Amino acid sequence: DVKVTQSSRYLVKRTGEKVFLECVQDMDHENMFWYRQDPGLGLRLIYFSYDVKMKEKGDIPEGYSVSREKKERFSLILESASTNQTSMYLCASSLEGTGNIQYFGAGTRLSVL
Amino acid sequence: LAKTTQPISMDSYEGQEVNITCSHNNIATNDYITWYQQFPSQGPRFIIQGYKTKVTNEVASLFIPADRKSSTLSLPRVSLSDTAVYYCLVGDISSNTGKLIFGQGTTLQVKP
Repeated sequence: DVKVTQSSRYLVKRTGEKVFLECVQDMDHENMFWYRQDPGLGLRLIYFSYDVKMKEKGDIPEGYSVSREKKERFSLILESASTNQTSMYLCASSLEGTGNIQYFGAGTRLSVL
Repeated sequence: LAKTTQPISMDSYEGQEVNITCSHNNIATNDYITWYQQFPSQGPRFIIQGYKTKVTNEVASLFIPADRKSSTLSLPRVSLSDTAVYYCLVGDISSNTGKLIFGQGTTLQVKP
């Protein structure tokens, strides 16, 4: 079974802090994704990566950056956290050539105070 | 930009067939249509994917008309454990746009 592990289930940070959300997958997938999920808005793509050191902006990249130094790890960075970034963050991975079949982690609920 | 629209909620009873429709009028030529199921405190889980016509697997069927502007997820004989939020996803990251658009999700409540 594919396993996508997010480093924290719950995180509380203060406004202005730099925040790192880590995601690791164990199935050698080429593609990795970061989404945020908010009530009534569904899932919105922040960034995705199709290879090591490669990244593409999704629909809502503002205020976020990403890092993919190794194939299995994809990090989401909030350079200066703000209260409007309070949300559920979901990481996913997929195998190249399988369309949109993604495997999701359990999510990190981030609260920015 | 493609927009994906689904009903906010649906109710059903155990043993019934449930059909959830997703509208995606601006679907692009290379876009796949994919459905996910999500339980509370979990990430979404893949159910089924299609490109055109009909796809069936052990848990669901996916019906896609010729114009591909909508799709219908069909769950046969639902049980209480099928109570969840269902999302449709339209897009293809390998295309030039690289866009993936989730619907807002349909909360399915299955009653005894």
